[in-house]
Amino acid sequence: DTGVSQDPRHKITKRGQNVTFRCDPISEHNRLYWYRQTLGQGPEFLTYFQNEAQLEKSRLLSDRFSAERPKGSFSTLEIQRTEQGDSAMYLCASSFLVAGSTQYFGPGTRLTVT
Amino acid sequence: AQRVTQPEKLLSVFKGAPVELKCNYSYSGSPELFWYVQYSRQRLQLLLRHISRESIKGFTADLNKGETSFHLKKPFAQEEDSAMYYCALTSGSGYSTLTFGKGTMLLVSP
Repeated sequence: DTGVSQDPRHKITKRGQNVTFRCDPISEHNRLYWYRQTLGQGPEFLTYFQNEAQLEKSRLLSDRFSAERPKGSFSTLEIQRTEQGDSAMYLCASSFLVAGSTQYFGPGTRLTVT
Repeated sequence: AQRVTQPEKLLSVFKGAPVELKCNYSYSGSPELFWYVQYSRQRLQLLLRHISRESIKGFTADLNKGETSFHLKKPFAQEEDSAMYYCALTSGSGYSTLTFGKGTMLLVSP
């Protein structure tokens, strides 16, 4: 296990198209997080899962965004009807169940909406 | 709502000089504070956390609840310290989600 992996690393799409990203966490980790980072900003929390349950969602997660973690392992983040404002780096992180555990980040998926 | 402020976008120092990256936070409860670092072409990684009271790569950070600050310090900067540094806090009932500052780019020149 080499850490958190994300696929694809880069995605260019046209406005209005749907995109889906995948995150594979570190295998022993129960928690999985999604963050978004735009230019000049720090990562911003989107949502997180504990096993397969989605426990918290940020107000940044509009109804065009949906995240799943069906078997408590990998997760997908889908954006429907993409807008230019969705262009960002999407980061995934995972951690153990214990509150305050270190979050380990993936390399990110860079989305460009043209 | 919680907020993390890093007032400097860029900090440029010479090798061997002391470094202090500033971080102030606002949160009504008792947050946990972290410093994350991102080296060029690498992923974001934890540098240190206040509850550990460790010194990592020569860096230390002290939580000052009175001033609501968590500044990152190193007495003698090295070129390999050049990176983007993010201060973050975790809070809430689950102490799970991270709130990040905008980051400070540290450039250490020879």
